[in-house]
Amino acid sequence: DSGVTQTPKHLITATGQRVTLRCSPRSGDLSVYWYQQSLDQGLQFLIQYYNGEERAKGNILERFSAQQFPDLHSELNLSSLELGDSALYFCASSSRGGLAGVYEQFFGPGTRLTVL
Amino acid sequence: GDSVTQMEGPVTLSEEAFLTINCTYTATGYPSLFWYVQYPGEGLQLLLKATKADDKGSNKGFEATYRKETTSFHLEKGSVQVSDSAVYFCALSRAYGGSQGNLIFGKGTKLSVKP
Repeated sequence: DSGVTQTPKHLITATGQRVTLRCSPRSGDLSVYWYQQSLDQGLQFLIQYYNGEERAKGNILERFSAQQFPDLHSELNLSSLELGDSALYFCASSSRGGLAGVYEQFFGPGTRLTVL
Repeated sequence: GDSVTQMEGPVTLSEEAFLTINCTYTATGYPSLFWYVQYPGEGLQLLLKATKADDKGSNKGFEATYRKETTSFHLEKGSVQVSDSAVYFCALSRAYGGSQGNLIFGKGTKLSVKP
């Protein structure tokens, strides 16, 4: 158990809908990263927050957004869903925002999103 | 941009066989290198890491050496077990140049070990 929790575990929805994925980082970790794992694109970095502020953006679509709340949990919002958004979404946390070589990222179990 | 290339699987081995999974990278400067493992139905776990050239990361019998001259970070294990069956990801991270430490992954290599 990494200490990172993600809810829900599975989510099935229809095209055009909007969903929210939730992540609670390990106790004391200030940084949250979101990754998408799909069969065709592999594992891709989406976005990172550190202590409530956006720190870095990767291949995140404009239809997707995220935020980190004062209690440090984070939510990833996916809207106008398309079939191609079906994927496993991971959240990871670390104690600091950078220097990943020093501060390990701990991954949650993921949320599997299926868009029908 | 930065990228990681690892050998495609699946790889099927018998128990106690020698394992090598090749990984090469493209990056400016001096990235940190990682191997992550994903067991079925679980998230990723850090297996080992190396933060500078010639560093050797090791854990649970797995080893990988950061080779800057060949831009490689191959994963090896002398004797695999059935419990090593999983998907292995090579990854890099840069902690400078605007990066905040996000990981760039290879496509993953699925390992199956038969008894």
